[in-house]
Amino acid sequence: GNSVTQMEGPVTLSEEAFLTINCTYTATGYPSLFWYVQYPGEGLQLLLKATKADDKGSNKGFEATYRKETTSFHLEKGSVQVSDSAVYFCAYMDSNYQLIWGAGTKLIIKP
Amino acid sequence: DAGVTQSPTHLIKTRGQQVTLRCSPKSGHDTVSWYQQALGQGPQFIFQYYEEEERQRGNFPDRFSGHQFPNYSSELNVNALLLGDSALYLCASSTFRAGIRGSYNSPLHFGNGTRLTVT
Repeated sequence: GNSVTQMEGPVTLSEEAFLTINCTYTATGYPSLFWYVQYPGEGLQLLLKATKADDKGSNKGFEATYRKETTSFHLEKGSVQVSDSAVYFCAYMDSNYQLIWGAGTKLIIKP
Repeated sequence: DAGVTQSPTHLIKTRGQQVTLRCSPKSGHDTVSWYQQALGQGPQFIFQYYEEEERQRGNFPDRFSGHQFPNYSSELNVNALLLGDSALYLCASSTFRAGIRGSYNSPLHFGNGTRLTVT
């Protein structure tokens, strides 16, 4: 069935390290893909999105490329900051316009 | 510009009781969706309201019902509460228009949620 698989957390990195959070999905067709972020005590916020194959979404130094061959949408950032500590969710929009979510990956950045 | 607001922020109920959660969408938005987020999991879609009608529904029992008012605000009602209903309930608003090309890509704006604990 339709699903999103994210790497399990927590992911703990030092400040200025390179970040990758893996995300793969199972869906029919080529859905729009999203990364949402949930900072402590706050609601979910859209971080970036890609709507077609080979699109690259980017925001706040984060990037993710829509790879239809591998059905993946991995999140990357070249140099993380303590303020990036949050829970990151990968999601896609299915044919019924509903968001299908991964379980989230908690990111902890140490100074 | 106020974002999505939800009330209350926390709620404790006992099994068998009924609960009502409230949501006011972001200004300019007319579509409201509700999600349930269990601890350590991603959100699960409950239902979506547009033009005061339930347009889509996820895999939730009839104990979960909702309403949308003319001012686009919305309520989520849960009857006969079970321990398993304990979760963070998220409201999201958007300008989604069913059938309008590309509108489904309008981003969802989430509230901070209502934490429901059933004892």
